[in-house]
Amino acid sequence: KNQVEQSPQSLIILEGKNCTLQCNYTVSPFSNLRWYKQDTGRGPVSLTIMTFSENTKSNGRYTATLDADTKQSSLHITASQLSDSASYICVVSRDYKYIFGTGTRLKVLA
Amino acid sequence: DVKVTQSSRYLVKRTGEKVFLECVQDMDHENMFWYRQDPGLGLRLIYFSYDVKMKEKGDIPEGYSVSREKKERFSLILESASTNQTSMYLCASRQASYNEQFFGPGTRLTVL
Repeated sequence: KNQVEQSPQSLIILEGKNCTLQCNYTVSPFSNLRWYKQDTGRGPVSLTIMTFSENTKSNGRYTATLDADTKQSSLHITASQLSDSASYICVVSRDYKYIFGTGTRLKVLA
Repeated sequence: DVKVTQSSRYLVKRTGEKVFLECVQDMDHENMFWYRQDPGLGLRLIYFSYDVKMKEKGDIPEGYSVSREKKERFSLILESASTNQTSMYLCASRQASYNEQFFGPGTRLTVL
């Protein structure tokens, strides 16, 4: 069983709407939790990083939250744009190891 | 800006061929990684190199080997390609003391 589970697997929203992606993990302890954006056919690019003691981090229209007690993180996208169409991957790191979720594929429609 | 480049974006090879995938980073990073990415499975670590000529097996090293002769270059070798090695291959690098990974654009390998 994957130690990092993401939901939903895929999501379609209209341009301008908000959405929230979920990440549940069982990795413990961990160094930090990241959210990556991966455009189709490209490598992942880091959006946010949080240590276990942080509970929110923003990067423009992207806001990540972390609840270390329930082992859940979420990525909230505000006022979505067509360019937000991508896969979003939650990654928990411990030492040099990175445990990747399987991602949420987001499609933003005009 | 950190730049990680991979030798090919797309590659088509035949079963049994020896395949070389190259990765180069320009930020003097200590650590380099090779992953494969398959639908529904997420990224899985094949090999990790923490310094020149040093390597560690990841979660799925079978059928692969690596070479790190220079700090900036990390090569992934498929000794005898098989169809189940058809996948997207991603290289990443990071500074040893700061564990953000920077990824290359990926190589989509098809083995026929």
